[in-house]
Parts: sequence; C-alpha cells; structure tokens
Amino acid sequence: AQSVTQLGSHVSVSEGALVLLRCNYSSSVPPYLFWYVQYPNQGLQLLLKYTSAATLVKGINGFEAEFKKSETSFHLTKPSAHMSDAAEYFCAVSGTTGANSKLTFGKGITLSVRP
Amino acid sequence: DTGVSQNPRHKITKRGQNVTFRCDPISEHNRLYWYRQTLGQGPEFLTYFQNEAQLEKSRLLSDRFSAERPKGSFSTLEIQRTEQGDSAMYLCASSWGTSGGETQYFGPGTRLLVL
Repeated sequence: AQSVTQLGSHVSVSEGALVLLRCNYSSSVPPYLFWYVQYPNQGLQLLLKYTSAATLVKGINGFEAEFKKSETSFHLTKPSAHMSDAAEYFCAVSGTTGANSKLTFGKGITLSVRP
Repeated sequence: DTGVSQNPRHKITKRGQNVTFRCDPISEHNRLYWYRQTLGQGPEFLTYFQNEAQLEKSRLLSDRFSAERPKGSFSTLEIQRTEQGDSAMYLCASSWGTSGGETQYFGPGTRLLVL
C-alpha cells in the first residue's frame, strides 16, 4: 500500500523567507507525487506534480519540488514566502497506471506567514 | 468551463436521516472521484467512476454509502441512516485520462454535520 508522511502540522515563516514543507512517501514502486494547496473555504488546487519526467518539478506561484528516490522524498520549496501563501498544503501519492489513480494524501501542513 | 461544482455546500441533519450530495464534474471529464476529509486530516479516498462504471470502492465505504454516476455525467453520493461519525467534508474531483497521473480538479466540497 502507498502512503505519505508529512512531519509536523504547522510551519511558520517570515515574509520573504524560504518555505520548506517536507513530504516522504512509501511505495513498492516509484509512484506519481502531487502537492495540493487548500485555501480557507476553497477546494484543493494542484500546485505541481511528478510523473516520472524531470525530477525537479516547477509549479504555480513560484513553488517547486524535487523527487529524490534514494530518500523517498518530495519536499516542497519556495525561495521567498508571500503573505498570500498562507494555506494548508497536502502531499499526495498515486499509482502509475490508470487502474491505480486514486490519490492517497498526507495529513497536511498549515503554513503561516508572518509580516 | 466553470470547474467542479458540488451541492449543497452545507448540510445539517439528524442522526438516522438519509442525505444525498451531488457533484457536477468538469464537462467531458471521464473520471470522477469522491473523497472524505475530517478535521486535521487529509482527504481519504471513497470511490471513483470512469464514465458510468464504478471501478473502485474503499473499505471505508460502508454499506450505508452508495454512489452513482448515471450516463457518465454528474454523480450522487447517498448516505443512509447517518451517524455522528459521518460528519466530515465530502469532496468530489474529476479528471480526464486513463493512464494515471492525470490532474484531479476538486470541487469546494459539501460539509456534513450529523447531530
């Protein structure tokens, strides 16, 4: 079975500081990996995804993530935090076939940005 | 394209009552997923459809839950004899494709409170 671990439930950074949100996965084969963001009272929005092409994936709003098979990680980073980045972030994993496309999510991390 | 819509957005019901939620996917998306999200947790997979066929159901989905997608368009999720433990946010997502790794687009969710 596939799973995702997001350590810590809350990260707080100052505006302009580096954002690093950690995600580790467990899977018997290299999976597809996703980062979603959820703003208050809104649906989940895809930030970026890894589907076995380039290991460094660039997403929307200046976010990027690097797939590291040796570390089973897919950490999300942004060089400079903005107040509008405050939200809840979810890492998710899926299989790589059409029959195994459901997403398995981590518990999520709440990002706060201090002025 | 107006995105994935869900109705109602909020539902309060008494224990033992039946409730039905509706999801309208992005038009021409062949896949439709239902997830459930409780406070402080990531979404959990419930079931998904490819066109009108229900291809997978989670063990989380008890016999009180049933989902349909007639004609491969909108979908309904019904919960019979609701219990307090059913209180959660019910999320719907849709995607296009059959090979895996497709982006799932989420609706705003239906928040259910069972008293």
